Amino acid sequence: TQLLEQSPQFLSIQEGENLTVYCNSSSVFSSLQWYRQEPGEGPVLLVTVVTGGEVKKLKRLTFQFGDARKDSSLHITAAQPGDTGLYLCAGAASNYQLIWGAGTKLIIKP
Amino acid sequence: GAVVSQHPSRVICKSGTSVKIECRSLDFQATTMFWYRQFPKQSLMLMATSNEGSKATYEQGVEKDKFLINHASLTLSTLTVTSAHPEDSSFYICSARDFQNYGYTFGSGTRLTVV
Repeated sequence: TQLLEQSPQFLSIQEGENLTVYCNSSSVFSSLQWYRQEPGEGPVLLVTVVTGGEVKKLKRLTFQFGDARKDSSLHITAAQPGDTGLYLCAGAASNYQLIWGAGTKLIIKP
Repeated sequence: GAVVSQHPSRVICKSGTSVKIECRSLDFQATTMFWYRQFPKQSLMLMATSNEGSKATYEQGVEKDKFLINHASLTLSTLTVTSAHPEDSSFYICSARDFQNYGYTFGSGTRLTVV
């Protein structure tokens, strides 16, 4: 059974601070996605990483896929209150199903 | 980009009644759709995988007779919660794979409340 461990599950920090969310697995994924979900809405795709070692940037968000394609991180620089939300990582299994992390509830205090 | 339209967004029903949730892929063909259930402050839990023209594959512990899935066309999949009970109250979300972007596009979700 493939598992994806996401940490931390809850993070509350002040505006302007940096943070990193991690997703780790013992399994290899063909790709890994990061999503952000607002209350009462479906998840919205932020980025997909496919190649081992890949780094993608989305404004103040930096996503990295591990060399072995078993882990990934999301780093937010100078967090803003608008970054508040639930962040989810999901790894794509060979049958196209997504293996989900538990999610990180992020609160940025002004 | 790929869009999945999910309706209704909210529904309140009485115990014992059935509720149908629809998901439509608006600008692409979704041969496979996934149905999830999400409890407050938790991650998504896969209920079933729906394939166009064939029977859905249910995850362990999900009652196929209670959660009826129909995927009759490449753009429409439906989830019917039959004989709903208060414990079925939850947030239900569908998604389809966007082959172009390697990602998955999600519907906006349906908040089901059974009273």
